[in-house]
Amino acid sequence: DGGITQSPKYLFRKEGQNVTLSCEQNLNHDAMYWYRQDPGQGLRLIYYSQIVNDFQKGDIAEGYSVSREKKESFPLTVTSAQKNPTAFYLCASSKDRGSYGYTFGSGTRLTVV
Amino acid sequence: EDKVVQSPLSLVVHEGDTVTLNCSYEVTNFRSLLWYKQEKKAPTFLFMLTSSGIEKKSGRLSSILDKKELFSILNITATQTGDSAIYLCAVVTSYGKLTFGQGTILTVHP
Repeated sequence: DGGITQSPKYLFRKEGQNVTLSCEQNLNHDAMYWYRQDPGQGLRLIYYSQIVNDFQKGDIAEGYSVSREKKESFPLTVTSAQKNPTAFYLCASSKDRGSYGYTFGSGTRLTVV
Repeated sequence: EDKVVQSPLSLVVHEGDTVTLNCSYEVTNFRSLLWYKQEKKAPTFLFMLTSSGIEKKSGRLSSILDKKELFSILNITATQTGDSAIYLCAVVTSYGKLTFGQGTILTVHP
């Protein structure tokens, strides 16, 4: 079955460490997205990519980095520069710039300890 | 900067009540508006709206878009405790960027 796989589901990180969240899709979607969600709030866009080797900053890109070397993969690195990284992170993908909707992964919950 | 604003931010009702959730937007090159329901993890798709004035229905849920006034509403009639969730509105631009509002937390008491 096609879908998006995010791993790990739960991640604990010490302050000052970088950590990379994985997002893989086998839907042949061109576009991929990373969102952050804080408790009881909506989703805020971190980065998105419409094609391989190209990506754009979203509304809250500071302290994060991404790469898009393959169509199927869009990893997100949370760097030590991100002041408040504890959050729920969702990855999504779409085909034809969202004409057919968006598919979401099941998320990664990152906790800084 | 693209902006999507939802109201109210939270709402508490009793089973059987009808609720109306609001979503207004200011974006460049609007393409469509989406409604999602989120309970624990990934949002669940409810509606995609692209044309003004055409109501979409699914059971007790319905939604409509007004592209002139730049807003959409989501109605839920005869609410049930299972409707308790965060309801998310999102707007798609012609470049495929998907921008979400803050969400409305709906709590339905028995």
